[in-house]
Amino acid sequence: GESVGLHLPTLSVQEGDNSIINCAYSNSASDYFIWYKQESGKGPQFIIDIRSNMDKRQGQRVTVLLNKTVKHLSLQIAATQPGDSAVYFCAETSGYGQNFVFGPGTRLSVLP
Amino acid sequence: DSGVTQTPKHLITATGQRVTLRCSPRSGDLSVYWYQQSLDQGLQFLIQYYNGEERAKGNILERFSAQQFPDLHSELNLSSLELGDSALYFCASSVRSGFTDTQYFGPGTRLTVL
Repeated sequence: GESVGLHLPTLSVQEGDNSIINCAYSNSASDYFIWYKQESGKGPQFIIDIRSNMDKRQGQRVTVLLNKTVKHLSLQIAATQPGDSAVYFCAETSGYGQNFVFGPGTRLSVLP
Repeated sequence: DSGVTQTPKHLITATGQRVTLRCSPRSGDLSVYWYQQSLDQGLQFLIQYYNGEERAKGNILERFSAQQFPDLHSELNLSSLELGDSALYFCASSVRSGFTDTQYFGPGTRLTVL
């Protein structure tokens, strides 16, 4: 597959365990945040989003937490499965695409 | 399969040349976004078009330009290519114009500049 980034931080978790992927965002004016999953050889895929007026949002097996005080975002994946192995990116934006910025990404490796 | 198509899948060219990357959005989507993904810069937003008009601009170089046609497909033109332009180029589409609308990404075009 295509190489997304050779030196990304890697999180290794056992299948069935919960995963927590962290992201520090840069702009205190950002008001919308997104998590994407990118599998090898594919484009990013939307996972979940959250607006700045919320601090938690849940989806199917995923939860995003937002801490605006310390400009921190996290993605929690419950009962991690082999299919969750991928690179995960957070993204922040404000003002209709102004300052639409992706984080550097974290590689999640699920161990059998 | 996201429903977004990009051609070509791979492109190899030389420095100084010009190339055109093509994107067809999902049926019904009016917005097209272009992104560059490189090993050193990561994923970067380049530009967005909505229903034929430029909507938002990111870190797009002056050597690069894009347009969206009446049938809503989009092209990204890269000229005076440099070695550093080698990257994966993704397009994405969404129904509406705001960045809060879910974007669906294509499989990308890998550009190699020799």
